[in-house]
Amino acid sequence: GEDVEQSLFLSVREGDSSVINCTYTDSSSTYLYWYKQEPGAGLQLLTYIFSNMDMKQDQRLTVLLNKKDKHLSLRIADTQTGDSAIYFCAERFGSRDDKIIFGKGTRLHILP
Amino acid sequence: GAGVSQSPSNKVTEKGKDVELRCDPISGHTALYWYRQRLGQGLEFLIYFQGNSAPDKSGLPSDRFSAERTGESVSTLTIQRTQQEDSAVYLCASSLSLGTAISEQYFGPGTRLTVT
Repeated sequence: GEDVEQSLFLSVREGDSSVINCTYTDSSSTYLYWYKQEPGAGLQLLTYIFSNMDMKQDQRLTVLLNKKDKHLSLRIADTQTGDSAIYFCAERFGSRDDKIIFGKGTRLHILP
Repeated sequence: GAGVSQSPSNKVTEKGKDVELRCDPISGHTALYWYRQRLGQGLEFLIYFQGNSAPDKSGLPSDRFSAERTGESVSTLTIQRTQQEDSAVYLCASSLSLGTAISEQYFGPGTRLTVT
């Protein structure tokens, strides 16, 4: 079936690295995304990776993709209080070019 | 105002009544998506449109839910005979599609539906 799985909660101390994991189902996925939903705000695209890439780095964010295991991760270096949010992993189905399925989201809580 | 807009922002209705939720996508975006987000839970895909057609309605929870889109623009999500379990935030998103690389979705602020 079509499913994107994520753990629901993650607590990290300020200044440490956060790693949010996601598994997906479609081996022909073209793009994989991370969206961020801050408290009281809408979802916004944070970063994405094309399926022929293993890694993408963008400032404090590192996305790792393991196609063999269908595993995606988002690493946030030097986590700040402003990083508190829900992070959604999303998969774009290769066979259905416009269908994008979201995971249930991981709530990142920053400890002082 | 170039973003996705949704109306109403809040809707309280009595169980058994019908409700209609509206989404105005970004001009020129041919793909439009509806999601449901229950309190404390993730995004649940409902339906998406490519132009005015809905290739995938598999996410609609029951036959009480329907959606349409006209003029490759405005979309309405209708819930008939609302039930308390329909209470949620209904999110709309739009994106450029077919030939656009990343197909980033732009989300509206949502309609918070409360069924009493």
